[in-house]
Amino acid sequence: QSALTQPPSASGSPGQSVTISCTGTSSDVGGYNYVSWYQQHPGKAPKLMIYEVSKRPSGVPDRFSGSKSGNTASLTVSGLQAEDEADYYCTSCAGINPLFGTGTKVTVL
Amino acid sequence: EVQLVQSGAEVKKPGESLKISCQGSGDSFTTYWIAWVRQMPGKGLEWMGSIYPGDSDTRYSPSFQGQVTFSTDKSISIAYLQWSSLKASDSAMYYCARHDGYDSFDYWGQGTLVTVSS
Repeated sequence: QSALTQPPSASGSPGQSVTISCTGTSSDVGGYNYVSWYQQHPGKAPKLMIYEVSKRPSGVPDRFSGSKSGNTASLTVSGLQAEDEADYYCTSCAGINPLFGTGTKVTVL
Repeated sequence: EVQLVQSGAEVKKPGESLKISCQGSGDSFTTYWIAWVRQMPGKGLEWMGSIYPGDSDTRYSPSFQGQVTFSTDKSISIAYLQWSSLKASDSAMYYCARHDGYDSFDYWGQGTLVTVSS
């Protein structure tokens, strides 16, 4: 099973929006409403930001939103803030096994 | 609140064995999966597999099947990841995380850095 495909990098100015894509197949992203997104700052453990495509865990700002269309899921960060600069990873299920995306480095200009 | 606390950094030689741990707190340890996730230096996250402490049911990623072993001691809420013969390519950060059995990892340990070098 290959990793889900994400763009290596994305950027935006403070206050702007940035959208990260996560492309899989009909056997994973397209086949289930199980897509989650993680934020990882350097030297830190990942943090769950979105689960089941578009649900936010308690404490995650509503600036973070998720969606899915076909075999591609997306994470949008609105109103970019300096602390949003981090690596972001998606996951989905390939059958019963989770599959991570390749990761996207988000830079706040 | 759920917390996962991992054992400290390890420095080992190729061929040596190793067992690292993930101590859970909270009352959900036996009702969720515990996943192990590898992150090699400068690289992305890789799901190694998951274990269900309630009955020790285990799922391994095909990439890690036969390379590592998961175990738990549910009486003390600890999950383990072990190697019988380390290789230099096992050098990485290893995270444990609470896994819902599908795509979601909602609580993470702080990570254990494993360095394998002669």
